[in-house]
Amino acid sequence: EVQVLESGGKLVQPGGSLRLSCAASGFTFSSYAMSWVRQAPGKGLEWVSGVSGSGVYTYYADSVKGRFTISRDNSKNTLYLYMDSLRAEDTALYYCARDYFSDYWGQGALVTVSS
Amino acid sequence: QPVLTQSSSASASLGSSVKLTCTLSSGHNNYIIAWHQQQPGKAPRYLMKLEGSGTYNKGNGVPDRFSGSSSGADRYLTISNLQSEDEADYYCETWDSNTWVFGGGTKLTVL
Repeated sequence: EVQVLESGGKLVQPGGSLRLSCAASGFTFSSYAMSWVRQAPGKGLEWVSGVSGSGVYTYYADSVKGRFTISRDNSKNTLYLYMDSLRAEDTALYYCARDYFSDYWGQGALVTVSS
Repeated sequence: QPVLTQSSSASASLGSSVKLTCTLSSGHNNYIIAWHQQQPGKAPRYLMKLEGSGTYNKGNGVPDRFSGSSSGADRYLTISNLQSEDEADYYCETWDSNTWVFGGGTKLTVL
């Protein structure tokens, strides 16, 4: 059974940093691109960042470029999102999703940026 | 990059059918999209991938009541025999070389 499970969400102060993890199982992790998608309270889905199966190619939304870094460890079947210089507007539920058309989603990790 | 446009809301009666629309921006008529359902308080769920030809492939466990179709730049999600659990937000998504793109979502109310 395909599963992806996010972790690492918490309350952080503005300007702070945080790393999210997404543990994958039930499929050949290195064969699939992965992405992070966020949802602010009461809002729609917003793509944040994506990475190719090999990890060589990384992609970012303009809203996070230069502040967030996506990476993956294919030996551990784990996807990461390192978030720096966090702002109040980064407050959201962060989902990881499999492949270019997001055919499997995790349950989300809540990130709250507030003083 | 493509832009996906969805109506903000739709409504239909229990047991009836509803057709939701996702429109691709100019020059992107042939793009493949995916439809996702997000029930209140839950994570999104993949429903199907839909091609410009109208061919679609549903995710595991998606009921037969859900189907897809296409016409030009429009991609449709049809839900037949509406059930109360179909009340949800529905998002379309596409991908273009280095960007994932989501539509604004349609909130479906089952009357």
